[in-house]
Amino acid sequence: SNVLTQPPSVSVAPGQTARIPCGGDLISTRDVNWYQQRPGQAPILVLYDDDDRPSGVPERFSGSKSGNTATLMITRVEVGDEADYYCQLWTGSSDYGHVFGTGTTVTVL
Amino acid sequence: EVQLLESGGGLAKPGGSLRLSCRDSGFTLRNFAITWVRQAPGKGLEWVSDISDTGGNTFYADSVQGRFIVSRDNSRNTVSLQLDSLRPDDTAVYYCATGRGSHFDVWGPGTMVTVSS
Repeated sequence: SNVLTQPPSVSVAPGQTARIPCGGDLISTRDVNWYQQRPGQAPILVLYDDDDRPSGVPERFSGSKSGNTATLMITRVEVGDEADYYCQLWTGSSDYGHVFGTGTTVTVL
Repeated sequence: EVQLLESGGGLAKPGGSLRLSCRDSGFTLRNFAITWVRQAPGKGLEWVSDISDTGGNTFYADSVQGRFIVSRDNSRNTVSLQLDSLRPDDTAVYYCATGRGSHFDVWGPGTMVTVSS
């Protein structure tokens, strides 16, 4: 299956840690990337190749993978981290292309 | 700073056509594969199509296969997405994006396509 499943929402208090899981059959064999999207804006890459951070992304953002689940972790959560987050991977097949996760809305309480 | 900019969105009737363009500002588009991603109102991101840097390879999601055609003119630093036989469920913001590897670190702001009678 090429589906990547995320919980619809995650709530976290400021200063705490948010964990956003992404599950799917291809997770264990493909590199996983993560995007942040604020309302009305284009997505922004926050992690690539499972756990690498693009320049400019705070160290508070990190990634991990275990079996068929990848996890984006945001430590010391700030109000500005409130956004939708999507995982994504390349299936390795031109027939199926890229797959995005279902998306998770992070709410900072 | 690299930047992408989409254009060509608008209102089309079911069965109609639109042509979207993706242009670069600040870097040379010809060196990069380009991906189109769309997002229906209130929904998640959906991969639509890929085109290789030379244009020699193109790929499509099942949902648009046979109706959309991606092409590029590297002499004009432009990638186009021809949308034919449009359906109401094609209504979305369409983004072009690029990056090295399997991820996308450059996105355009998007262009809105609305399919309605």
